[in-house]
Amino acid sequence: DTAVSQTPKYLVTQMGNDKSIKCEQNLGHDTMYWYKQDSKKFLKIMFSYNNKELIINETVPNRFSPKSPDKAHLNLHINSLELGDSAVYFCASSQGGLAGDDWGEQYFGPGTRLTVT
Amino acid sequence: AQSVTQLGSHVSVSEGALVLLRCNYSSSVPPYLFWYVQYPNQGLQLLLKYTSAATLVKGINGFEAEFKKSETSFHLTKPSAHMSDAAEYFCAVSITQGGSEKLVFGKGTKLTVNP
Repeated sequence: DTAVSQTPKYLVTQMGNDKSIKCEQNLGHDTMYWYKQDSKKFLKIMFSYNNKELIINETVPNRFSPKSPDKAHLNLHINSLELGDSAVYFCASSQGGLAGDDWGEQYFGPGTRLTVT
Repeated sequence: AQSVTQLGSHVSVSEGALVLLRCNYSSSVPPYLFWYVQYPNQGLQLLLKYTSAATLVKGINGFEAEFKKSETSFHLTKPSAHMSDAAEYFCAVSITQGGSEKLVFGKGTKLTVNP
């Protein structure tokens, strides 16, 4: 029973194409995130959503457009893919707020490896 | 700005030896610190976290970390390495921004365990 799931796991596409990555969490969390891990394993936040509202946008090119249809889902759509977009994209979720033993803990999905050729 | 620095991009130990992975933080306020592990081709899993309740934090798989304010450090240790500990380890600090928290990660340390 996966807590945070992403589809697809692998995505190979050509430059200029448009693609989407889907994320779903069944933890009942209010906040969801997208992180990018580059070829050197460096992880950086891209976006965070709280209850379907965009909270953090870390100067990501506007070719990247997150969409949250409900608080359990956060999808990432990428237009006009470039070679530099090749990376592993991780979705994560957290409860948010300052209460609870799991405060601050983010639960990560298995990642989507995007390869742009 | 709050950040973390991991010293050593690669650490190699023998099976049964002590594991020490270093992390130093920079923060003007009490930080919330985390260690995550990433096994090959998998997502990140939380090992342990420091949220100011206790300076010595015990995590999963026999790992622990000690928060030392005087040294601005949060090093990860395990007394005896297992082959299964081979993975990438990330130290992270949680930053509140716009009412949400984001994790800022160090560059990671790859742990190799030799038989």
